[in-house]
Amino acid sequence: NAGVMQNPRHLVRRRGQEARLRCSPMKGHSHVYWYRQLPEEGLKFMVYLQKENIIDESGMPKERFSAEFPKEGPSILRIQQVVRGDSAAYFCASSPTAGHYGYTFGSGTRLTVV
Amino acid sequence: EDKVVQSPLSLVVHEGDTVTLNCSYEVTNFRSLLWYKQEKKAPTFLFMLTSSGIEKKSGRLSSILDKKELFSILNITATQTGDSAVYLCAVEDNNNDMRFGAGTRLTVKP
Repeated sequence: NAGVMQNPRHLVRRRGQEARLRCSPMKGHSHVYWYRQLPEEGLKFMVYLQKENIIDESGMPKERFSAEFPKEGPSILRIQQVVRGDSAAYFCASSPTAGHYGYTFGSGTRLTVV
Repeated sequence: EDKVVQSPLSLVVHEGDTVTLNCSYEVTNFRSLLWYKQEKKAPTFLFMLTSSGIEKKSGRLSSILDKKELFSILNITATQTGDSAVYLCAVEDNNNDMRFGAGTRLTVKP
């Protein structure tokens, strides 16, 4: 069991480009959560997805950000027209059941917008 | 390979008990170790430890780091039902990469 896999580990984008962050949950896990960690701040919840459904996106900015978790394949966090303020570490976690605790984190994707 | 290992994976105690949670790590270019309490949407930051032997304290919670033996402990005294949560340990390196442990699920019974 390879754990939660996130890729890429590091991503550099120019302002205005799109960033796509991938998260493959642990085998048998159907619940995925995305978090953003800004410098000097804690983890901030963004979105909670279950296969093919967005359950809670209350932490996600209404513009430019979107997330999906298709029936097949990894969960994708997409940021369109990136700006410098999007530079952060984005973490994904997965769990086998519903609930915002007791799950496994990936190693994160560090996005740098230049 | 870098890793962060927490123990125990789960723990059930009664109110008033004292608990000790463990976090050991093998991380290249260690910078800091962080403890979080996970009960709702996002983990709540508890402590950041960078120096060995200096205890950090917040109410009934305290934590200490041993950089020689590569571990940290989180103590909770006089536990309450509200302490029930998953406690996460994470280690940051000098490249700003963070690695999480699997967490310890603490259940405090009345």
